[in-house]
Amino acid sequence: EDQVTQSPEALRLQEGESSSLNCSYTVSGLRGLFWYRQDPGKGPEFLFTLYSAGEEKEKERLKATLTKKESFLHITAPKPEDSATYLCAVRQGGSYIPTFGRGTSLIVHP
Amino acid sequence: NAGVTQTPKFQVLKTGQSMTLQCAQDMNHNSMYWYRQDPGMGLRLIYYSASEGTTDKGEVPNGYNVSRLNKREFSLRLESAAPSQTSVYFCASSDYFRDSWETQYFGPGTRLLVL
Repeated sequence: EDQVTQSPEALRLQEGESSSLNCSYTVSGLRGLFWYRQDPGKGPEFLFTLYSAGEEKEKERLKATLTKKESFLHITAPKPEDSATYLCAVRQGGSYIPTFGRGTSLIVHP
Repeated sequence: NAGVTQTPKFQVLKTGQSMTLQCAQDMNHNSMYWYRQDPGMGLRLIYYSASEGTTDKGEVPNGYNVSRLNKREFSLRLESAAPSQTSVYFCASSDYFRDSWETQYFGPGTRLLVL
């Protein structure tokens, strides 16, 4: 059973059409939830770190939120350049190793 | 400040050949990691090094060995390549902050094809 589940697997949006990506987790003792963006042929690029339920962070058109069981990455009025795969990862207390979800592939059509 | 660098960018091997993937970071991080990424499988940890002088197995270590050469460099070796090792390999580094292991920073990847 996956400890980190991302949904949907793929999402197609029209430019300007806001939506949200979900990352649900079952690990105990969360010590950090991380969002990354990955463009084709490149390594994951760090976006946000969230540590506690209720925390929110924003960057341009992206806003990440965290509850005790899941995180959402909200994309407001997306542009084609927001097209990428978005990865979520969590760290448990005392672990050196984060657990990654399989990602959501986002395509934004002009 | 280059962050995390990896060499080579691309490599084609024949079954049974060996090779070493190189990784270096200039952020003075203590921890370094090797992942492979396959379609539909996400990122899977091969080996990691929590600090200089230590290495540990991750989720998929079979067929690989690693060396933490110094604080900056962490190499991944395939002793006898197999077609199942065709993948994209990413190196990452991170550090310890606020009582937690912090964000990982990734390199650009090495694309390996084993024929």
